[in-house]
Formats: sequence, structure tokens, C-alpha cells
Amino acid sequence: DAKTTQPPSMDCAEGRAANLPCNHSTISGNEYVYWYRQIHSQGPQYIIHGLKNNETNEMASLIITEDRKSSTLILPHATLRDTAVYYCIVRNSGGSNYKLTFGKGTLLTVNP
Amino acid sequence: NAGVTQTPKFQVLKTGQSMTLQCAQDMNHEYMSWYRQDPGMGLRLIHYSVGAGITDQGEVPNGYNVSRSTTEDFPLRLLSAAPSQTSVYFCASSYSPGRDTEAFFGQGTRLTVV
Repeated sequence: DAKTTQPPSMDCAEGRAANLPCNHSTISGNEYVYWYRQIHSQGPQYIIHGLKNNETNEMASLIITEDRKSSTLILPHATLRDTAVYYCIVRNSGGSNYKLTFGKGTLLTVNP
Repeated sequence: NAGVTQTPKFQVLKTGQSMTLQCAQDMNHEYMSWYRQDPGMGLRLIHYSVGAGITDQGEVPNGYNVSRSTTEDFPLRLLSAAPSQTSVYFCASSYSPGRDTEAFFGQGTRLTVV
């Protein structure tokens, strides 16, 4: 699996956009970038994933650079309920080793 | 549609006791897995299964057994609990062991071994 690097923590004001960066410089051509989040003490929740193109859903947008070595998760209008640990994960698609490798993620704190 | 259901939510064990953490999903997912999460850490994979009758070890399998006799259920057994197994355990499932699928997680079992 390609390794990912995220800042340990970030702050964001309520109602503003939260931009969470992730570096994955060793990503291979057929690996996807996934984002999950974990609200305190709950199970992780899927947010979004992408391969090359930018993606958007009802929760967030994912911007992947053209060289695919980094990406940014954007929460367009952060609320207090978005306070969570956000995990950027590169999904291993080869062989039978299908698993999610979680790092320590980024603790996003949304402030009123 | 309940998703992924884990029981119990909380458990206290004495060292040396055995127990089974239950995980059930009602989405007809082929792929199921167990993770543990220690304070301040990300999730680490214990065991996983790509279908009924097929299981394999993850990153931290020692001290745990699994079996997958049905598509719906994937129990995790602690054979002889140790304090080092105090953790929060999460079960996850997804449609198939493919690269373009999301995983659904249960709400966790908080286990304390004293």
C-alpha cells in the first residue's frame, strides 16, 4: 500500500470550508484514494473516494492533483458535527490483500 | 436494513477468560474484517474474510481466531484474554474484495481485560 501523510490536527470556523490535505507520493496507477472519518468513539464512516478525477458527493469534494501525489478533501460548509478524525487511505487493489490501512489521520476541530 | 451490528457494545473480561465478539451484516457483503483501535492510534487489521469459508490474517492476528460459516456473520474469538487485548474492536463489511467499494463499519465493542 502507498503510504499517506496527513497533518495531525486542523481547526476550522463553523460555516467555513475545511480543506484537509493528504500526501501519497508513492501511489501507483491503479490505487484509489479513500477518505473516511471517525466521530468520537464511533465506527469510521466512508466519505468519498477517487482515482484521477475530482469527485463530489453530498458530503464533500475530493481534489486529486494531476500527478496523483496528493489530494485535498473539502467540506464546503463545516458544522460542529464535522469535528472528527479524518483518514486518507490509499486502497490496495492487488492480489488478495484487500484491506484498509489506517494511519493516525487528521483531527479536525470545527469551532463556533 | 441494520447495516453492520456488533455485540456486545461493552465487555469486561478477566485475564485468561475467553469470549466471542459478534458481528453481523444484512447487506449480503462478501468481504468482512475485524480491526482494533488503541488510544491515539488508527485502526489495525486483525483478520479478514473474502467470503464464506475463507479467512486470512491481517496485521495483528495473534491471540484471535475467526471463522466465516455464513455470509452474514463473522465472529471474533479471544481464546485467552490478556490485558494487551484491551481495545475497541470494529467490524467492517463491503460488497466485494474490489478496489472500488466502500466499507461499512459497526459501532464497536469496547473490551477491557483486567
